[in-house]
Amino acid sequence: DQQVKQNSPSLSVQEGRISILNCDYTNSMFDYFLWYKKYPAEGPTFLISISSIKDKNEDGRFTVFLNKSAKHLSLHIVPSQPGDSAVYFCAASPDPSNTGKLIFGQGTTLQVKP
Amino acid sequence: DVKVTQSSRYLVKRTGEKVFLECVQDMDHENMFWYRQDPGLGLRLIYFSYDVKMKEKGDIPEGYSVSREKKERFSLILESASTNQTSMYLCASNNSGRGDSPLHFGNGTRLTVT
Repeated sequence: DQQVKQNSPSLSVQEGRISILNCDYTNSMFDYFLWYKKYPAEGPTFLISISSIKDKNEDGRFTVFLNKSAKHLSLHIVPSQPGDSAVYFCAASPDPSNTGKLIFGQGTTLQVKP
Repeated sequence: DVKVTQSSRYLVKRTGEKVFLECVQDMDHENMFWYRQDPGLGLRLIYFSYDVKMKEKGDIPEGYSVSREKKERFSLILESASTNQTSMYLCASNNSGRGDSPLHFGNGTRLTVT
């Protein structure tokens, strides 16, 4: 049972345009959501997070939006750059006792074309 | 910078072999994790540890065991490797129970079981 879902396996955008990556979840008790970026042959690296008590968090070109009623979050990248081409994973913190573990989505491969 | 080091980038093993994957982190983190990454399935948690000699099962522990004898080292053991354990294995660590404490990942071990 996939508690965190990224339904788009891939996304292609033109350099300079907006990239929007989507993520849906099923458990309303998740307290934090995080986005990771992964290049081939490297481990995932943390990008940005959002608490469940907020609806928006921004860091430079990256903004995450959370819609709790829809159990949906999205990552916006503006403007997109070729170096943003990578696999993006959405993750949720499921554990009220806060052991630090995360549940990940399937990933979306973003290609930014020059 | 936090460094999580996985001892091997690539491994090829035969069915039935006992396999050890080693992971070391250098930031005195309390929590350590083993995930596997498969296409279309994202990252799935195998085991994690929040203290020396402590371990907890993740979502897919079958066929695996772990060992944490020292704080900085977390080993994943495949007792009898099978072809369905061919995957990318990722070790991670963090140092807080907060839900938004980012995981720091190693570069992964690509294991092929023939």
